[in-house]
Amino acid sequence: AQSVTQPDIHITVSEGASLELRCNYSYGATPYLFWYVQSPGQGLQLLLKYFSGDTLVQGIKGFEAEFKRSQSSFNLRKPSVHWSDAAEYFCAVGRSGGGADGLTFGKGTHLIIQP
Amino acid sequence: SQTIHQWPATLVQPVGSPLSLECTVEGTSNPNLYWYRQAAGRGLQLLFYSVGIGQISSEVPQNLSASRPQDRQFILSSKKLLLSDSGFYLCAWSTQNTIYFGEGSWLTVV
Repeated sequence: AQSVTQPDIHITVSEGASLELRCNYSYGATPYLFWYVQSPGQGLQLLLKYFSGDTLVQGIKGFEAEFKRSQSSFNLRKPSVHWSDAAEYFCAVGRSGGGADGLTFGKGTHLIIQP
Repeated sequence: SQTIHQWPATLVQPVGSPLSLECTVEGTSNPNLYWYRQAAGRGLQLLFYSVGIGQISSEVPQNLSASRPQDRQFILSSKKLLLSDSGFYLCAWSTQNTIYFGEGSWLTVV
């Protein structure tokens, strides 16, 4: 069965510094991969997704992620974080390749921004 | 554009009482629909998904049920709530293999 691991429960970054959030997945075939962001008490907003093609994908809010098949990773990056980026970030993989029958999520990484 | 509405936003219910959370999607037809639960420290758990009217797949054995009486309506129900049912419930819909979430409903069972 597919699974997603986000090794970092909490990450603290200074405002203006670069960010990388780690995500490792387990899936037998080419995965459909996603990153979502959740502000406190809110639903999840899609940041970006990877289905195929270019392994570096661009998303909203200045985020990007790189798919590395050899490392089973899909890490999220941002060159310079803003205080408004403080939130919970979730990596997810489609349960059966695509996301049509739902996603399997990691447990999330809580991002704290220091002034 | 498509929008998803979920209500109520907040609910406090006593143990043993019934539950009904409703979700509707606008601007699309025949979407896949989902109910997820987010409990503290446990990530997001897929509860139910539906690929069409009356077609419900249950992922986790529990005292919750789901129904899809109309194409763009998805309802989460319980006849008797347990304390362990407390959490943040998220409705979602998908198109082209991408899932979009509603704003969620906070359920506290007391």
